Amino acid sequence: KNQVEQSPQSLIILEGKNCTLQCNYTVSPFSNLRWYKQDTGRGPVSLTIMTFSENTKSNGRYTATLDADTKQSSLHITASQLSDSASYICVVLGLSSGGSYIPTFGRGTSLIVHP
Amino acid sequence: SAVISQKPSRDICQRGTSLTIQCQVDSQVTMMFWYRQQPGQSLTLIATANQGSEATYESGFVIDKFPISRPNLTFSTLTVSNMSPEDSSIYLCSVEGRSGGPYGYTFGSGTRLTVV
Repeated sequence: KNQVEQSPQSLIILEGKNCTLQCNYTVSPFSNLRWYKQDTGRGPVSLTIMTFSENTKSNGRYTATLDADTKQSSLHITASQLSDSASYICVVLGLSSGGSYIPTFGRGTSLIVHP
Repeated sequence: SAVISQKPSRDICQRGTSLTIQCQVDSQVTMMFWYRQQPGQSLTLIATANQGSEATYESGFVIDKFPISRPNLTFSTLTVSNMSPEDSSIYLCSVEGRSGGPYGYTFGSGTRLTVV
């Protein structure tokens, strides 16, 4: 069964500090992995998309890493801001037997940045 | 990526009634997806809506409870029928990007439904 596990479940940090969120998956066959940011009451917004051959991808203060061998990904947030307070969701896309892409969603990490 | 307008953004409904959620996309897309996100949970796919054919429902979701319309390539609706408090969730629509394949999933802003 395809699964995506995220840790920690929640995290509280002070403004300006860095943090790293983890995502472990057992999706096979693997197509790509995405990190989304979901503000309270809003839909998820894509931060990064990584394919099998990509190890690191950055989007501003967000840097995602992918180790396809160990099936682990991380999202590093640098110099956190109050606006980074949100839920961060890891989504892994696998290929179904019918050739369509099937997303498996993690439960998300709730990040709170305090001033 | 595509821009999705989803409405209503939130609603409070009486049990036993129905609510229709609309999603309008600014470009033509082949597939639209409807998700439910219960409090503290990850997104769960309800169904995939293709234009011109019946929606494909995931295990645990049925057409009588969640009828879907897809009259054209830019619009879809999801109805939550005969609602109960257990239906209180955020409902999201999603589309694939213009580049096709999995590279452009975009989500609507969500509909926060509370059933009392």
